[in-house]
Amino acid sequence: DAGVTQSPTHLIKTRGQQVTLRCSPKSGHDTVSWYQQALGQGPQFIFQYYEEEERQRGNFPDRFSGHQFPNYSSELNVNALLLGDSALYLCASSFGAGELFFGEGSRLTVL
Amino acid sequence: AQSVTQLGSHVSVSEGALVLLRCNYSSSVPPYLFWYVQYPNQGLQLLLKYTSAATLVKGINGFEAEFKKSETSFHLTKPSAHMSDAAEYFCAASGGTSYGKLTFGQGTILTVHP
Repeated sequence: DAGVTQSPTHLIKTRGQQVTLRCSPKSGHDTVSWYQQALGQGPQFIFQYYEEEERQRGNFPDRFSGHQFPNYSSELNVNALLLGDSALYLCASSFGAGELFFGEGSRLTVL
Repeated sequence: AQSVTQLGSHVSVSEGALVLLRCNYSSSVPPYLFWYVQYPNQGLQLLLKYTSAATLVKGINGFEAEFKKSETSFHLTKPSAHMSDAAEYFCAASGGTSYGKLTFGQGTILTVHP
């Protein structure tokens, strides 16, 4: 049984560019949450998707957007990248409001 | 707003010694509480969780945590540290009595020396 898978694992972008990160949830899960973990910090909640809609959102600007597909996979998009967007982006899946299972993350470096 | 505070960004213990990692939460309503471990270049692995059942919670790898409502604390302990316990540990709280959105502490790096 595959767990939560994220791609790409590492990527480098320059300021002003746009990035898309992808997440496939654990089998049987229908809810996807995204977290940003800056270096030396704890993860911070970005948003959560359920039934292809954003259900909850953390304190992140509109440059951060997402999407959930009918197969429950999800994308995180960040526009107009800033140096401060450099972080590990973690995807977590769950069945409804159940326990979260985390992927290994996508490490974004913005130069 | 919910907040989680982990006292001590770095904790160092000898192999075989007691491990104590401290976590306090701020909430008028006891939330669900979690401890996660993160090894270098990996995601988060759940160690244990409190969901308003027993106040002493046992997790994987010999870790346990005690929920103390009067102290708004959820400290993580392990009687005897092993070299493989060296990692970063995060305490987290849900927004209410469900798993939902998690608020994480800043993390504590545990070093275990021979």
